[in-house]
Amino acid sequence: KAGVTQTPRYLIKTRGQQVTLSCSPISGHRSVSWYQQTPGQGLQFLFEYFSETQRNKGNFPGRFSGRQFSNSRSEMNVSTLELGDSALYLCASSPTPGLSYEQYFGPGTRLTVT
Amino acid sequence: QKEVEQNSGPLSVPEGAIASLNCTYSDRGSQSFFWYRQYSGKSPELIMSIYSNGDKEDGRFTAQLNKASQYVSLLIRDSQPSDSATYLCAAKSNDYKLSFGAGTTVTVRA
Repeated sequence: KAGVTQTPRYLIKTRGQQVTLSCSPISGHRSVSWYQQTPGQGLQFLFEYFSETQRNKGNFPGRFSGRQFSNSRSEMNVSTLELGDSALYLCASSPTPGLSYEQYFGPGTRLTVT
Repeated sequence: QKEVEQNSGPLSVPEGAIASLNCTYSDRGSQSFFWYRQYSGKSPELIMSIYSNGDKEDGRFTAQLNKASQYVSLLIRDSQPSDSATYLCAAKSNDYKLSFGAGTTVTVRA
């Protein structure tokens, strides 16, 4: 099976702009989670989607939003970018959640805000 | 208090030795636990999952879980230079959120 794919892989934006990142989960996986990774804060949970519904959200401002489509692909959007939003954004997919809930990560999108 | 705490490291071990990584979690309702390996510049890769108390072995890796003590560990036997990476411990809460520790960087000296 193909792994989780994320596009674009690298992105440079300026403060105040907005950005949309895309994630395609492993075929058959219906849950998609998004994380932000920075050297100072580590891996932080942004949100999780299952069957087009957001089931959980981390402690991020409303500028961070996401959605999931009927084919399980997901997008996340960050509006009014700030310098502190520079990070590696990771998407992870999981099969129908159960006890295991193993998550498999994509390669990430490296966002640089200048 | 962070939900998942790991011994901060870095941990340096000679080739062929055992590397021991520790992790504690605060949410007593957590049921599933995972170890990820992350090479520099790469995304995390799932290497072990454990759900029941006791040991789980997979090749050179052994995960140990003690729910009463809220403690998870990972042993890497016969450490190889290719094991040099950051190891992340994660716990799944009942609301489908995966919480990660800060990671322990392991360096295997040839």
